[in-house]
Amino acid sequence: GENVEQHPSTLSVQEGDSAVIKCTYSDSASNYFPWYKQELGKRPQLIIDIRSNVGEKKDQRIAVTLNKTAKHFSLHITETQPEDSAVYFCAATGNQFYFGTGTSLTVIP
Amino acid sequence: DAGITQSPRHKVTETGTPVTLRCHQTENHRYMYWYRQDPGHGLRLIHYSYGVKDTDKGEVSDGYSVSRSKTEDFLLTLESATSSQTSVYFCATTQTGGETEAFFGQGTRLTVV
Repeated sequence: GENVEQHPSTLSVQEGDSAVIKCTYSDSASNYFPWYKQELGKRPQLIIDIRSNVGEKKDQRIAVTLNKTAKHFSLHITETQPEDSAVYFCAATGNQFYFGTGTSLTVIP
Repeated sequence: DAGITQSPRHKVTETGTPVTLRCHQTENHRYMYWYRQDPGHGLRLIHYSYGVKDTDKGEVSDGYSVSRSKTEDFLLTLESATSSQTSVYFCATTQTGGETEAFFGQGTRLTVV
């Protein structure tokens, strides 16, 4: 099956700085790559996703890049704010979702 | 939020007892999933369903069974609870399998003592 690795496991940044989270996957058949944000005690919620036929996608301060050849994709958050503090999960999917182990992001005011 | 509700939200049970968690959706999604979330492991798939009475195992299915008799309900049963099954359990649904957004329930915190 698919194997998704996510790094780093924890990340602290100053408010206003950028944050980057990276994921790699193993199955070249995976074709959908969503990112989920989970605030403390809450359910995971989709923040951005990208499909295999696209290299980059942006939504305001959030962007995702995908390199299919290298089998890695990354989440970029610019101008971070305290409310960005949460756990972020990447996933690679074919018939089902394979999640990374999560990155705990702390934005320091 | 999508109409996915889990019950109960919290449960404490004793080792060796059976436990059933319920996931109910009002989205008419075909696919339903049960995950467990543990520190350092992210979200791991227990079982999933791709239609009424159609289910399959995930990566951590030992000690768990599922049933789906109606589109809207997906039940997870711990046949004989063990302390290693203490976790937060999430149900999720998608319309088209792994190609579209997954919507999650609120989670169930299960403690086995």
